[in-house]
Amino acid sequence: DAGVIQSPRHEVTEMGQEVTLRCKPISGHNSLFWYRQTMMRGLELLIYFNNNVPIDDSGMPEDRFSAKMPNASFSTLKIQPSEPRDSAVYFCASSFPPFGYGYTFGSGTRLTVV
Amino acid sequence: AQSVTQLGSHVSVSEGALVLLRCNYSSSVPPYLFWYVQYPNQGLQLLLKYTSAATLVKGINGFEAEFKKSETSFHLTKPSAHMSDAAEYFCAVGLYGNNRLAFGKGTQVVVIP
Repeated sequence: DAGVIQSPRHEVTEMGQEVTLRCKPISGHNSLFWYRQTMMRGLELLIYFNNNVPIDDSGMPEDRFSAKMPNASFSTLKIQPSEPRDSAVYFCASSFPPFGYGYTFGSGTRLTVV
Repeated sequence: AQSVTQLGSHVSVSEGALVLLRCNYSSSVPPYLFWYVQYPNQGLQLLLKYTSAATLVKGINGFEAEFKKSETSFHLTKPSAHMSDAAEYFCAVGLYGNNRLAFGKGTQVVVIP
């Protein structure tokens, strides 16, 4: 199994541009989570999906952020327009029942907005 | 709702010395408990987990943790620190039937040669 795959690994963009981060969960996992990690705020849950349906998006910071999961093998996190304060490492994680197995994390996307 | 508290955001330990990272949880029902490790520029990796079987759990790289219900704790230990243990460690708690994990704020471990 290739694990949770995120792309790109690094993204540098100018303020105001649209950014799209991608995630491919492990096959058979029915839950997907998007996290953001910064030095100041630590690890923050942005949104999570069960069976491709968004369950809780209360962690999404602003309307500039949106996430989709069109099918069981793909999810995107979009920021439009991007701002310097969005600079962070964004992680995707997936899991499957029974829940006791925990999450498997991707390697993350390091986003820098200049 | 469940939550975890990690005592100490930074821990320095000498190479060869005991590593002890503290985690206390809050949960109204028996929880699932996890420790994750994050090496620089990498994602979080599962180190070990407690899922209501043995209270002493052994993980990868010589780490182990003990679930103590009376103390609501799940501290992580390793008898002898190695330079490669330098990383950030996260404790997390979940509940059966609820697939959301609550993560602690993390503890950065520095190993001194």
